[in-house]
Amino acid sequence: GAGVSQSPSNKVTEKGKDVELRCDPISGHTALYWYRQSLGQGLEFLIYFQGNSAPDKSGLPSDRFSAERTGGSVSTLTIQRTQQEDSAVYLCASSLGGGLAVNEQFFGPGTRLTVL
Amino acid sequence: AQKVTQAQTEISVVEKEDVTLDCVYETRDTTYYLFWYKQPPSGELVFLIRRNSFDEQNEISGRYSWNFQKSTSSFNFTITASQVVDSAIYFCALAKNTGNQFYFGTGTSLTVIP
Repeated sequence: GAGVSQSPSNKVTEKGKDVELRCDPISGHTALYWYRQSLGQGLEFLIYFQGNSAPDKSGLPSDRFSAERTGGSVSTLTIQRTQQEDSAVYLCASSLGGGLAVNEQFFGPGTRLTVL
Repeated sequence: AQKVTQAQTEISVVEKEDVTLDCVYETRDTTYYLFWYKQPPSGELVFLIRRNSFDEQNEISGRYSWNFQKSTSSFNFTITASQVVDSAIYFCALAKNTGNQFYFGTGTSLTVIP
């Protein structure tokens, strides 16, 4: 079956511009996560969606970052007024959620964001 | 606070050697989950294993094995008879029982030299 897809795969933008990154999770996965991976670093948690519950936004680094998930499926991560330090690979993952166990995440290929 | 430490930043081994990747975690929770993921040069993370805190049995899957020891808060990963295809960055992760947050280590970059 189809895995997690993300678009665009690469994005180059100028400082101060807004960008939108898209994630299509695996069908039927109720949990969706966004991470940021900078060169040589681990994955930094950004935000978590589970079904229709209020998202866990505790990882968003500033109010320039926001995300939404429409219809419990597709998610968009928006970065406003981009800064050079926002340059990183943004990863999306989905998993079967809502059960008693914590399930493994399936990751997308990521969006490489470069802010000039 | 939750934390995962992968002290080995880079490891190089010659093909067919065994290699162990270390993972040490910190948590005050009694129920939690541990994971290993592989990130090959292509970039996409691939799930390898999940363990919950109540299951300390070691696991073997082909050339891969995992040693979970709660007494030392470690969840180490061993590759036996390494192959060039094992070259990748390996991440260890800790998840809270609520599943809302995963804490990843900084990864260990493994290079297997033919």
